[in-house]
Amino acid sequence: SQKIEQNSEALNIQEGKTATLTCNYTNYSPAYLQWYRQDPGRGPVFLLLIRENEKEKRKERLKVTFDTTLKQSLFHITASQPADSATYLCALAQGSSNTGKLIFGQGTTLQVKP
Amino acid sequence: DGGITQSPKYLFRKEGQNVTLSCEQNLNHDAMYWYRQDPGQGLRLIYYSQIVNDFQKGDIAEGYSVSREKKESFPLTVTSAQKNPTAFYLCASSTRGAGANVLTFGAGSRLTVL
Repeated sequence: SQKIEQNSEALNIQEGKTATLTCNYTNYSPAYLQWYRQDPGRGPVFLLLIRENEKEKRKERLKVTFDTTLKQSLFHITASQPADSATYLCALAQGSSNTGKLIFGQGTTLQVKP
Repeated sequence: DGGITQSPKYLFRKEGQNVTLSCEQNLNHDAMYWYRQDPGQGLRLIYYSQIVNDFQKGDIAEGYSVSREKKESFPLTVTSAQKNPTAFYLCASSTRGAGANVLTFGAGSRLTVL
């Protein structure tokens, strides 16, 4: 069956360190993968998109990698800050990429301690 | 400011009642989506619509209904047939046919069945 999995345990790190979150998937061949941030009681907000032919994508302190052989994406936040504390969701296109249907992982909660 | 507005933010329902959640967007997006979020689970797709007067079932459509009479609006009705309706409901929109659709989410509606 098709699955997309993120670490269900919360990730606790010290301010200034690099946070690394993992997204693994099985039985998919996604054309692209997306990462969203969700704060408690709010809707997710888009952060980054990486395509299957891209190995790495960066945006300010954020970096995403995409390994289609391992079927894994890693999401890094460098020089983390308490304001980065949130739940981070990865998402894959389901079916045709043009439908916009995304399947989401359950999210990993990041807590950055000052 | 352009965005998606969901209402109400909180809604309480007695068993056996139908309730309708509102979703309005002024982003001029063609596609709109409804997701359901439960604790510890990823977002699950209920219904989506790529164009006015057309919509398709998602993965968990049973007990829900939608309409798309206007481009800006995509209301979701939670019917009495939905056995476990207590959840956080998220509406989203995107441009259609972009090949890598990024979703813009509303702030969500939390439904509690009493």
